[in-house]
Amino acid sequence: DADVTQTPRNRITKTGKRIMLECSQTKGHDRMYWYRQDPGLGLRLIYYSFDVKDINKGEISDGYSVSRQAQAKFSLSLESAIPNQTALYFCATSGNSYEQYFGPGTRLTVT
Amino acid sequence: AQSVTQLDSQVPVFEEAPVELRCNYSSSVSVYLFWYVQYPNQGLQLLLKYLSGSTLVKGINGFEAEFNKSQTSFHLRKPSVHISDTAEYFCAVRDSNYQLIWGAGTKLIIKP
Repeated sequence: DADVTQTPRNRITKTGKRIMLECSQTKGHDRMYWYRQDPGLGLRLIYYSFDVKDINKGEISDGYSVSRQAQAKFSLSLESAIPNQTALYFCATSGNSYEQYFGPGTRLTVT
Repeated sequence: AQSVTQLDSQVPVFEEAPVELRCNYSSSVSVYLFWYVQYPNQGLQLLLKYLSGSTLVKGINGFEAEFNKSQTSFHLRKPSVHISDTAEYFCAVRDSNYQLIWGAGTKLIIKP
């Protein structure tokens, strides 16, 4: 079984809808991250969490919110989706090093 | 502030030819460097990393990279590429506070 899982894998939604992307991990890591990937822009950090009580904004947090429900679960929400949030979203985890482990990604399309 | 530059957005190369993917960085903290690979429709996985020690780092699938402090580079090389190496490759440098700063990625295109 995969160490980092993301649901859903693909989602099409309409402008203005609220949507939640979920991430779960079995690696026992404290640190979790949400990124978005756009062609030619690499990975941009949306939010990160170092434990259940520690949530931090990344470089592009506007329009997004997160919830760390447990050590193993970190959810990303788009409160009111807009077309320029169409992207590939990745969850990642890390332990006591800088190496990060990625989920398979969620492809989100906002129409 | 830390930054990473991958100058080539795409690198086309013939199968069985050598390849070099370029990465330059700037960092004000101790340098940790990473190369990740993203195969089509998959997440990213670690190819190799430099934390300290030998400047020549060997990774999976026959890739290696050399840390050059004077040139602030960490170029990725493979002596002979295969069609299965078709992927996007990302260079990253550690930031403070357990974050990674990412390059824009380089797509490796293998020509038969």
